[in-house]
Amino acid sequence: GAVVSQHPSWVICKSGTSVKIECRSLDFQATTMFWYRQFPKQSLMLMATSNEGSKATYEQGVEKDKFLINHASLTLSTLTVTSAHPEDSSFYICSVPRGSNTEAFFGQGTRLTVV
Amino acid sequence: GESVGLHLPTLSVQEGDNSIINCAYSNSASDYFIWYKQESGKGPQFIIDIRSNMDKRQGQRVTVLLNKTVKHLSLQIAATQPGDSAVYFCAENMGDTDKLIFGTGTRLQVFP
Repeated sequence: GAVVSQHPSWVICKSGTSVKIECRSLDFQATTMFWYRQFPKQSLMLMATSNEGSKATYEQGVEKDKFLINHASLTLSTLTVTSAHPEDSSFYICSVPRGSNTEAFFGQGTRLTVV
Repeated sequence: GESVGLHLPTLSVQEGDNSIINCAYSNSASDYFIWYKQESGKGPQFIIDIRSNMDKRQGQRVTVLLNKTVKHLSLQIAATQPGDSAVYFCAENMGDTDKLIFGTGTRLQVFP
């Protein structure tokens, strides 16, 4: 069964609104989670590192005020896309690493469509 | 380095044939590598991994080869099946963090 649960699996929102995506680690206490974005027919691009109890670390070029990350517990990280625009439409995926040199488990992904 | 937003190359193979998917990684300091399979609309699924102190690792129907000299990774799938059709990504871990950086990806199409 899934060890990382992501919700919702898809969402459609209007331009200017905000959308929250949840990533839950079901069987592992995760001090770190990762958020990726994937455009059609492209690879996964790392957006940010979600750190439990502290600020997220964003990759170069990712706007921290637009993509708000909260990691308030060891099992939940949330990504909020604020003031969404059509160009934010993408597939967002979270992952939970189990430590260096071990596989990371991925959520099912969230398809965001901004209209 | 980060994966570049290129469109996915495609590998088409006949059912029953062997498939070889290649990946060039970016950082010579990377010490752990994973192959993931991604089906349409889903998150990546783990296939096989390899550490930098190895050059080959075998799983069930899959083999990963690592050439650190030229920073090249390959995934071999034996007796390819229709269910193997998906996009395959290599990912590298640079050791000092748990970050995984993904390669460009290859779409595998299996035809009867």
